[in-house]
Amino acid sequence: DAGVTQSPTHLIKTRGQQVTLRCSPISGHKSVSWYQQVLGQGPQFIFQYYEKEERGRGNFPDRFSARQFPNYSSELNVNALLLGDSALYLCAGTRGTVLSPLHFGNGTRLTVT
Amino acid sequence: DQQVKQNSPSLSVQEGRISILNCDYTNSMFDYFLWYKKYPAEGPTFLISISSIKDKNEDGRFTVFLNKSAKHLSLHIVPSQPGDSAVYFCAARNSNDYKLSFGAGTTVTVRA
Repeated sequence: DAGVTQSPTHLIKTRGQQVTLRCSPISGHKSVSWYQQVLGQGPQFIFQYYEKEERGRGNFPDRFSARQFPNYSSELNVNALLLGDSALYLCAGTRGTVLSPLHFGNGTRLTVT
Repeated sequence: DQQVKQNSPSLSVQEGRISILNCDYTNSMFDYFLWYKKYPAEGPTFLISISSIKDKNEDGRFTVFLNKSAKHLSLHIVPSQPGDSAVYFCAARNSNDYKLSFGAGTTVTVRA
C-alpha cells in the first residue's frame, strides 16, 4: 500500500499570495488531519476531517481552510500568506478508530518570501 | 499553551547503551500517549503508544513508561543503534479527540 502522499514537496511563495497543498491518505483511512511544523517546534494541529466533515480546528486564523473529497483526499488552502506561514505542512491519515495512530506524509515545505 | 513538554532538546548516547527520553504534560484530560520518530526530510513515523490505563508498554527495543500522578512519560530505547539517530516527538491526546498535542522534540544522536 502506498503511504500518505503530499504534493508539492517544496513550494516558494510571496507574501500576500495564496497556496493550496494536497494530500492523499493511505487507502482505507477516512480521517485526514493537517499539522504545521515550524523549525524547532513540534507539529501544531490545524484541521481534522472525517468523512468529509470538519471535526476539529486548531488555533489558526481564518486564512487557513481545508476540505476533504469523496475519495478522502484533502486540500489545505492558505490565503494572504505571511512570512510566519513558512513551515513544514504535514498531512496525516488514520482509520478513524479512537486509538489508531496518525500516519504522516513527508510534508510540504512552504517558504514565504 | 504548551501542554506537552520535552525539556531536553538533545541527547547523545553511545551505541549499545540505553537512551531515555522524557516528556511531561499538563492536561489531565490526556489519556493516550504516543511517541513519533522523525528523520530529516520525512514525516514523523509512529513508534509506540500507551493508554492511560497502563503504566508500561513494550515493543522490541522500545518501552514507554507512564506515570499519571506525575504527568510524566518516558521512552527507553535499549540497546541504542545508529539508525535510532533522529528527532523523537512525544504526543498526547484525549481519546475523544483526534487532535494530537506534540512536544518540541528531542534530537537523539547515537555515537558509534
